[in-house]
Amino acid sequence: QVQLVQSGAEVKKPGASVKVSCKASGYTFTSDYMHWVRQAPGQGPEWMGIINPSGGSTNYAQKFQGRVTMTRDTSTSTVYMELSSLRSEDTAVYYCARTNYDILTGFWNAFDIWGQGTMVTVSS
Amino acid sequence: EIVLTQSPGTLSLSPGERATLSCRASQSFSSSSLAWYQQKPGQAPRLLIYGASSRATGIPDRFSGSGSGTDFTLTISRLEPEDFAVYYCQQYGSSPRTFGQGTKVEIK
Repeated sequence: QVQLVQSGAEVKKPGASVKVSCKASGYTFTSDYMHWVRQAPGQGPEWMGIINPSGGSTNYAQKFQGRVTMTRDTSTSTVYMELSSLRSEDTAVYYCARTNYDILTGFWNAFDIWGQGTMVTVSS
Repeated sequence: EIVLTQSPGTLSLSPGERATLSCRASQSFSSSSLAWYQQKPGQAPRLLIYGASSRATGIPDRFSGSGSGTDFTLTISRLEPEDFAVYYCQQYGSSPRTFGQGTKVEIK
């Protein structure tokens, strides 16, 4: 079955970086796109950016420009999200979520499959 | 950036009752790009509705979506015990993709 499995929880100090992985299975990895979404405690989801696993192109939310890097490894069907210069406000659950682009209609599709989430805690 | 405002913040209802959730956008966009998600504590969001009115795979028909332009609605016709959760609307057609702040449907 289609699934996204993320890496385990992380605890980081302010100023450090964190790298979260998301391994895809059950579908053709390079046929679909992957988003990263985070959710702070008690808050709604917040979109961070998108990566095209086929060519590696990315589009980041302006809020995270300069601090986030999304990459992929096609040999293992895994995408990565690295966030640097961590601060306490980055404490959140980080999710990867799949989408695709319908070339016939010219529209993007919704986020149909989500990873289980990775808790990142930033604390001194 | 399209800002989505959901109302009410909390909906207190009993099983068997009808739930009506609202999502209003700061500017008009294609209804083809509006989704609703359900989230339960400790779980990832689950896609319920896409394209404003199409149910995702496996979603029961008591869930329905409607709307266009700037006003969208999620309706749960008869609440089942497993439907008590937080619901988010989302626009996914343009960057940045944005989410509403959520409506919590709680047991009265």
